[in-house]
Amino acid sequence: QKEVEQNSGPLSVPEGAIASLNCTYSDRVSQSFFWYRQYSGKSPELIMSIYSNGDKEDGRFTAQLNKASQYVSLLIRDSQPSDSATYLCAVYQGGSEKLVFGKGTKLTVNP
Amino acid sequence: DTEVTQTPKHLVMGMTNKKSLKCEQHMGHRAMYWYKQKAKKPPELMFVYSYEKLSINESVPSRFSPECPNSSLLNLHLHALQPEDSALYLCASSQDSGSREADTQYFGPGTRLTVL
Repeated sequence: QKEVEQNSGPLSVPEGAIASLNCTYSDRVSQSFFWYRQYSGKSPELIMSIYSNGDKEDGRFTAQLNKASQYVSLLIRDSQPSDSATYLCAVYQGGSEKLVFGKGTKLTVNP
Repeated sequence: DTEVTQTPKHLVMGMTNKKSLKCEQHMGHRAMYWYKQKAKKPPELMFVYSYEKLSINESVPSRFSPECPNSSLLNLHLHALQPEDSALYLCASSQDSGSREADTQYFGPGTRLTVL
C-alpha cells in the first residue's frame, strides 16, 4: 500500500490568516494529486487538482507540487470561518485507478 | 454539472436484511467507485467499475455485492451485514478517458448506513 501522509492536526488559525496544509506521498510514479474539503457529516468536495511541479492558484487557494521531494501542499489565504473543515490529500497510485487518501487535517478558523 | 446522486440518504437495517444503495451520475463518466468511510477516517476504496466492468475489488467481504447496470448507475447490494459495517458509503465517478487530468473523482452526498 502506497502511503499518503498529512501533517497531523488539528490546525487552528485566526480569521484572515494563511492556513498551510502539507502532504507527502511515497509512490514516485504518482502523477495526479488532489485536495478535497470535507465538512463534518458531508462528503468530500474537490478543492484543487495539480499535476505539474510548481504552483496552481484558484481564488484564495494555492496548491504546490514538488515531485522530487514527493510533497504537495495547499495554502488558503485570507482564511474564513467557513473554511473550517477536514482537508484530505489524495494521490493516485501510479498506473492505477486507486485514489489513496491521507488521514486528513482538521482546520479550524477562529473569528 | 458535477452532480452525483445517492439514495437513500440514511438507511437502518438489521443483520438479516437485504438492502441496496444506489448511485447515479449524468456527466458521461465511465468510471464509478464505492468507498466506505468511518468516523474521523479517510474514505477507503471498496470497488471500481470502469466502462461497466469491475476493475478493482479491494478484498471486500462478499456480503457487499456491487453492480453496474449501465454507465450511469451503480448499485451496492447489502446482505447479512455486521454492526461494524455501519459507516458513510460514498459513491464517486470520474471520466476515465485515459487523460490524467480527466481522472478527477466527484463524490455523491453519501448514504449513512446503520446496522443494528
